[in-house]
Order: sequence, then structure tokens, then C-alpha cells
Amino acid sequence: GIQVEQSPPDLILQEGANSTLRCNFSDSVNNLQWFHQNPWGQLINLFYIPSGTKQNGRLSATTVATERYSLLYISSSQTTDSGVYFCAVGEAGANSKLTFGKGITLSVRP
Amino acid sequence: GAVVSQHPSWVICKSGTSVKIECRSLDFQATTMFWYRQFPKQSLMLMATSNEGSKATYEQGVEKDKFLINHASLTLSTLTVTSAHPEDSSFYICSASIRVGGYTFGSGTRLTVV
Repeated sequence: GIQVEQSPPDLILQEGANSTLRCNFSDSVNNLQWFHQNPWGQLINLFYIPSGTKQNGRLSATTVATERYSLLYISSSQTTDSGVYFCAVGEAGANSKLTFGKGITLSVRP
Repeated sequence: GAVVSQHPSWVICKSGTSVKIECRSLDFQATTMFWYRQFPKQSLMLMATSNEGSKATYEQGVEKDKFLINHASLTLSTLTVTSAHPEDSSFYICSASIRVGGYTFGSGTRLTVV
């Protein structure tokens, strides 16, 4: 099956710093998502981005499908950004199942 | 909108007993529900995909008779861990697709088998 690799595995930032999280995938995909899991386990959908660039406030994401990677940018990080960021890929379609990467644990310190 | 309510949030059970986890879609109809298991500091592993009114599709290596999934209505899917053992202790999460590229997740159930 498709492999999803995320880097770095862990990241520690000072509040206000910027960061880039990377996701590489082994095959072409029609569905790529970024999720944030908070310390209590709740997952939130951040971006649906099979290609191109999107921005939502301090977060933005870029996927270069031809080169099989996606980047999540966090600017002016806040302590509430702490948690685990997952990249997940899958097929096109509303009910396609996802394959998750191992996640990137982000700790933002005040 | 598009909320999935998952219960219980946590449960402790004795070895050999069964535990049922419920996921309800509160304001939409979930024809498909995904069930994941997550061990501490690890990724989400898809266990099975349940479709309303039909049998669930299990991922390779997941025991169908141990993890019973029922999706009897468009708003309720359940996962029953039968004859639980300590190695079944994990964080179980359900998820539904609400549109192309949009997924909503339950808040998870932390199962501890003693």
C-alpha cells in the first residue's frame, strides 16, 4: 500500500516562531488531508489539499502532487497549536478511506 | 455542524468481558463510518469501514469476530470489542465523511482492559 512519511517527528518551538511540517507519499493520490490532534485526542480537519495551496489564518498548506509531497506552514505559533499533526492520503470520493502518516508532535512553549 | 458524538469517552473493563462503543452523527446522515485504533504516541490505524445496512469491511489483520461493527441506521454505528484482553487497550476513534475532502471525528474512547 501507499506509504506516508512525515518529518520531523518532533518539533519544539518558542511562541511566535514559524514552522514547516512535511509529508511525503509514495504514490499518486487524489485525496490529501492535514489534521491536528489536540492533547485530549480530538482530531480536527485542517486542510483538504490534493494539490495547490490553501491558507486559513496562520496556517497554510501546499501540495506538489507531481513530486509527491505536501507542506504545512504554521506562522506566529501559539501554545494552542501544540499537539500532533497528521497527514493522511487516500483515493478521490466522499467516502474514501485514509492512510495516516505517523504524525509530527509539536510543542509550542510560552 | 457535522458533529459525531462518541460514547463512552473512557471505559475500564475486566478481561473476558465485552465493551460497546457508540458513534452517532447528530446533524447529518452518515452512510459510511470509519473506525480507527490508536496506540499511545502512534498513528491512527484503520480497523474497518462500516456502511449503513451492510456488513463492515475489515482491514487486513483485524479480527472480525473480535471487533463487531454494526451500522443499523444512518445516524448510529457501534463497535463492540468482544472478550477483551489487555492488548486491546487502546484509543478508538470513529470518523465520518461529510463531503468530498471533509471528515469529522468522534472525540475517541480510551479503553483499558484490566
